[in-house]
Amino acid sequence: DAGVIQSPRHEVTEMGQEVTLRCKPISGHNSLFWYRQTMMRGLELLIYFNNNVPIDDSGMPEDRFSAKMPNASFSTLKIQPSEPRDSAVYFCASSFGYQPQHFGDGTRLSIL
Amino acid sequence: RKEVEQDPGPFNVPEGATVAFNCTYSNSASQSFFWYRQDCRKEPKLLMSVYSSGNEDGRFTAQLNRASQYISLLIRDSKLSDSATYLCVVNRYSGGGADGLTFGKGTHLIIQP
Repeated sequence: DAGVIQSPRHEVTEMGQEVTLRCKPISGHNSLFWYRQTMMRGLELLIYFNNNVPIDDSGMPEDRFSAKMPNASFSTLKIQPSEPRDSAVYFCASSFGYQPQHFGDGTRLSIL
Repeated sequence: RKEVEQDPGPFNVPEGATVAFNCTYSNSASQSFFWYRQDCRKEPKLLMSVYSSGNEDGRFTAQLNRASQYISLLIRDSKLSDSATYLCVVNRYSGGGADGLTFGKGTHLIIQP
């Protein structure tokens, strides 16, 4: 079975550029989560959706970050403009109901 | 106080030994608890859920102490392949997996031959 699919796997770009991360959750899952992982702060929840509706975005660092889920099989996390401190691994995870979350492979983002 | 606290380690343990980790959480209303495992440069993967009565999965035993708000993981007969970072995870709100999870920063385990 296909797991959570994220793209790109790696992204290197210059500060000020727009970055778009993509996620396809596991088919049938109704919750989707975006996390960020850094050495200093560990894994942090940025935002999550239930049935395509954003439920809690209190973890989004600032207005430069936005996330959408236009349908049950696709979500994006956008950073505009990007800054070097945004460099991290970004994970997408999905779940069904109260079952545990499954993570994608992550996107390694480097902002120069 | 941090929401979920763990000893970062590293724990250096000889193969075959028993090793135990603890973590503490601050939100007394939390209802769901998990241990995830993360290998270097990989995504976190669910190791096991933690139930109030304690639960076992092969060489792994997890326990929950609600009164003291701590969770433990015991690994018996450790294998080289157990080397990884173990993340203590608590749901953010009273509820289940549909809510966002709060992760500890992880305990790094190294099993030595």
